[in-house]
Parts: sequence; structure tokens; C-alpha cells
Amino acid sequence: DQQVKQNSPSLSVQEGRISILNCDYTNSMFDYFLWYKKYPAEGPTFLISISSIKDKNEDGRFTVFLNKSAKHLSLHIVPSQPGDSAVYFCAASASNTGKLIFGQGTTLQVKP
Amino acid sequence: NAGVMQNPRHLVRRRGQEARLRCSPMKGHSHVYWYRQLPEEGLKFMVYLQKENIIDESGMPKERFSAEFPKEGPSILRIQQVVRGDSAAYFCASSHDSAEKLFFGSGTQLSVL
Repeated sequence: DQQVKQNSPSLSVQEGRISILNCDYTNSMFDYFLWYKKYPAEGPTFLISISSIKDKNEDGRFTVFLNKSAKHLSLHIVPSQPGDSAVYFCAASASNTGKLIFGQGTTLQVKP
Repeated sequence: NAGVMQNPRHLVRRRGQEARLRCSPMKGHSHVYWYRQLPEEGLKFMVYLQKENIIDESGMPKERFSAEFPKEGPSILRIQQVVRGDSAAYFCASSHDSAEKLFFGSGTQLSVL
């Protein structure tokens, strides 16, 4: 039962353009959402998060949007840079469980 | 370095041997989580521990796998009688409180021959 889904395994974007990564979830109890970035042979690193009481959170080039009615969130990176090339994982948690559930990941390639 | 420390980085075992993976959480963190990543897949939750207690082990196989987080010392993920299907990257993460963002270690790559 995949509660968090990232339906695009990969995305290729030109440097300077916008990257949009998408994530869908099924559990309505989720109230906290996060994006992690992962390079090969390293652990995931936290990028940005959003609480279910908000619909947008921005941090520099990274913005996360949450649409609770559609159970959908997205990560926007603008402008994209070659160093952003990595695997991006969406994750969600419910405050009553205390654990993060991850999506399958989307591999982003930013071409110079 | 105050980050999450995992060792070893790489572990090779033959079928039937035991694997012990260690994790020292960030200073001040009392919540530890173990995740497994199989090739070409996402991170799968295995177990959530809080000092000396297993809070949630719903993602852990019922047999051969065990985890502990003693009062003193690192958290240990133990896999007995390893099989080839156990080959994966095992990541440990910690947090100050539950349901907060997790900080991950660099992982242990387990290879079963």
C-alpha cells in the first residue's frame, strides 16, 4: 500500500528553468510534509517542509505547494542549477504516528 | 561532527551470517528510525525506537530482524542468517521529537554474497 506516490521516476530540465516535482498521498491523517534530496552513496538531506495548515512555504529557490483537497504537493525549484541534479523524495507524517513515509523518488537532471 | 553516524559504511556478509549495523543519533536526539532502500526503490520504514523502547516496528520483517536502542550506546539493527534479498542500503535517522524532520546518516550498504 503506497501511501505516498511520486509518479514521475525522472525529470530533465535545462539550467535556469523551473523544475516541478510532484507528489500525491492517500492518507488524510498526514499533517506534515517534507522534501528530501539525495545524492548517490549519501543519506537523504532535508530540503523544505510544510504543515497542513499552510498551502505554501518558500525557502530561497525552493517552494513547496500543498493542495489538501487533491492530496497533492509539489516542489518548485527556480532557477534550476546543475548542482540540483539528485534524487528527490517526498515524505509525509501523521502527528499521531511519529514516522515519515517516503515516496519512490524522482531523479532530477539539470542540464547546463 | 554532530551528525548521525552510521557504521560500517559497507558490510559484506555470506549467506547465513549475522549483520550488525550501528547508528549513533545526533546529540540530544532520543528518537531513532531505521529505513531500508532496495535498488531502484524508495526508502521503506522499518522501525522507530525511543531510548530503550520500540515504538513502531510495523515495517520490520517478523523473522531474523531485530533492533534496539539501549540507554547507553548506539542503536543496533541486527539481521540474523542473512539472505541475498537483504542486500540493500540501510539508513538510520534521528530526531529531537517525534513527527519532526529527520536527520539521516550516510547509510550502511549491506551486500550478501
